[in-house]
Amino acid sequence: DTGVSQDPRHKITKRGQNVTFRCDPISEHNRLYWYRQTLGQGPEFLTYFQNEAQLEKSRLLSDRFSAERPKGSFSTLEIQRTEQGDSAMYLCASSLGGTDLNQPQHFGDGTRLSIL
Amino acid sequence: AQSVTQPDIHITVSEGASLELRCNYSYGATPYLFWYVQSPGQGLQLLLKYFSGDTLVQGIKGFEAEFKRSQSSFNLRKPSVHWSDAAEYFCAVGATGRRALTFGSGTRLQVQP
Repeated sequence: DTGVSQDPRHKITKRGQNVTFRCDPISEHNRLYWYRQTLGQGPEFLTYFQNEAQLEKSRLLSDRFSAERPKGSFSTLEIQRTEQGDSAMYLCASSLGGTDLNQPQHFGDGTRLSIL
Repeated sequence: AQSVTQPDIHITVSEGASLELRCNYSYGATPYLFWYVQSPGQGLQLLLKYFSGDTLVQGIKGFEAEFKRSQSSFNLRKPSVHWSDAAEYFCAVGATGRRALTFGSGTRLQVQP
């Protein structure tokens, strides 16, 4: 059983650089979510896709952040002009479609971003 | 908007002892409630979920949780803790019509031998 896969696991970059993360969901899942988790906190919702459509975005997702899911399979999250405050674990989750939240979200192991 | 409070930041129990982790939520309607566990450097694993029906739900690894509407609580319990249960535990709530989960800030469980 292949779970949610995220790449890379760790990313260290200098402030001001651009970074891109990839998420491969569980193959039959049509919903994909991005969350951000800072030290000592629970995950915070960033954005959600159903198939290739981005249906919901959090106010946390500033204009330096962009997410895509071009073919309704894998997704990328790009952060432009990174800032110190972007240091966090970026988690991807996926789920089957269904009524509201009766399909639980399955999480990947995350990408830990460190900004120097 | 919904919110979740986990009052205990850190809990230490002895191996074999019982465990209860507290979770209080704020939401106007019937919530969807979840407990996840996270080991260091890892993602979150779903322990159990409540959508409707029986208010006592069973999950994996011997965990259970009870939904109490009158107290707006969804506490996680385990009768006998194992050393491998040491991890961070997150309670989360979902709202009708939304896809995002709102998480609490977590409770770190330490298990003493």
